[in-house]
Amino acid sequence: DVKVTQSSRYLVKRTGEKVFLECVQDMDHENMFWYRQDPGLGLRLIYFSYDVKMKEKGDIPEGYSVSREKKERFSLILESASTNQTSMYLCASSLKGGLAKNIQYFGAGTRLSVL
Amino acid sequence: ELKVEQNPLFLSMQEGKNYTIYCNYSTTSDRLYWYRQDPGKSLESLFVLLSNGAVKQEGRLMASLDTKARLSTLHITAAVHDLSATYFCAVEYSSASKIIFGSGTRLSIRP
Repeated sequence: DVKVTQSSRYLVKRTGEKVFLECVQDMDHENMFWYRQDPGLGLRLIYFSYDVKMKEKGDIPEGYSVSREKKERFSLILESASTNQTSMYLCASSLKGGLAKNIQYFGAGTRLSVL
Repeated sequence: ELKVEQNPLFLSMQEGKNYTIYCNYSTTSDRLYWYRQDPGKSLESLFVLLSNGAVKQEGRLMASLDTKARLSTLHITAAVHDLSATYFCAVEYSSASKIIFGSGTRLSIRP
């Protein structure tokens, strides 16, 4: 089974803090994604990566950055957390090709509260 | 503009009834996915639909794709409480290297 592990289920941070959300997958997937999920808005893509050291902006990248130094790990960074970044953050990974191409496997999510 | 619209957003239904969730998308796509999210948990893949007329079924859930109408449906047959969850469709646009999720349909099934 594919496993996507997010480092924290719940986080509480203060405004202005630098926040790191870590995601690790164990199935050698090329693609990795960070989403935020808010009630009524579905999933919105923040950043994605198709390969090590590659990153692409999604629909709402402002206030976020990412790092992918190793294939299995994709980190989301909030440089200076703000209250409007309080949300559920979901990491996902997928294969680039083959029959299972682009079927995303999701982590359990990190619920971040910024006070 | 690439858009994916699901309806209804909320659905409360009785056990034993049939119902359909709709997923409309704005332009030609390559693949369509359905996911399920249980309360407090993450998303799990249900179906991948690859071509016009594709139909996939698992248990009481059946998904279909009409690429000409840009419409996918998720049909629930004789609903049971265990199917209560939020269901998302997601549309892949290879030309834009994007997968866009709908807002989700929260399904609540009453005994």
